[in-house]
Amino acid sequence: DVKVTQSSRYLVKRTGEKVFLECVQDMDHENMFWYRQDPGLGLRLIYFSYDVKMKEKGDIPEGYSVSREKKERFSLILESASTNQTSMYLCASIGVDTEAFFGQGTRLTVV
Amino acid sequence: GEDVEQSLFLSVREGDSSVINCTYTDSSSTYLYWYKQEPGAGLQLLTYIFSNMDMKQDQRLTVLLNKKDKHLSLRIADTQTGDSAIYFCAESNSGGYNKLIFGAGTRLAVHP
Repeated sequence: DVKVTQSSRYLVKRTGEKVFLECVQDMDHENMFWYRQDPGLGLRLIYFSYDVKMKEKGDIPEGYSVSREKKERFSLILESASTNQTSMYLCASIGVDTEAFFGQGTRLTVV
Repeated sequence: GEDVEQSLFLSVREGDSSVINCTYTDSSSTYLYWYKQEPGAGLQLLTYIFSNMDMKQDQRLTVLLNKKDKHLSLRIADTQTGDSAIYFCAESNSGGYNKLIFGAGTRLAVHP
């Protein structure tokens, strides 16, 4: 089974903290994505990566950065967490000509 | 840019058919997906259709694709209370990166 694993299901952080959200996939997929999901807004793309060390901004990259040092791992970084970054974060991976697979999500609360 | 739109809410009676509609703008879409999200759960891939197909059936689910009108629909036959969830339409393009663009989600409420 394809597996996309996010390191935490629930996370509570303080305003101003640096936050790392980790995502690992075990299917050797080239493309990995970070989305945030907010009620009524669906899933919005933050960043994606199509290869190691490559990254592209999505629709809402402000306040976020990413790292892809290894093919299987894609990290989302909140440099200085703010309360408006409280959300559900979803990681996905897609291979060439395959469907997308999602992690279970990380619910981040910034207090 | 790419955009995916779907209505936000649908209410049906148990046993009826549900039809959830979606429109998209990217004519280079390769795959079109339907995901289901139950309360408190992650996204579950329900079904997908390749852009050179116009219909796909999988048990109670029928996906129809009108590529000319860029319209995708998901029909759930004999809708059950367990089908109550949010359904997301998504498309990925053939631009080389397989970027997934999602709609806002349609909340399906099934009443006894």
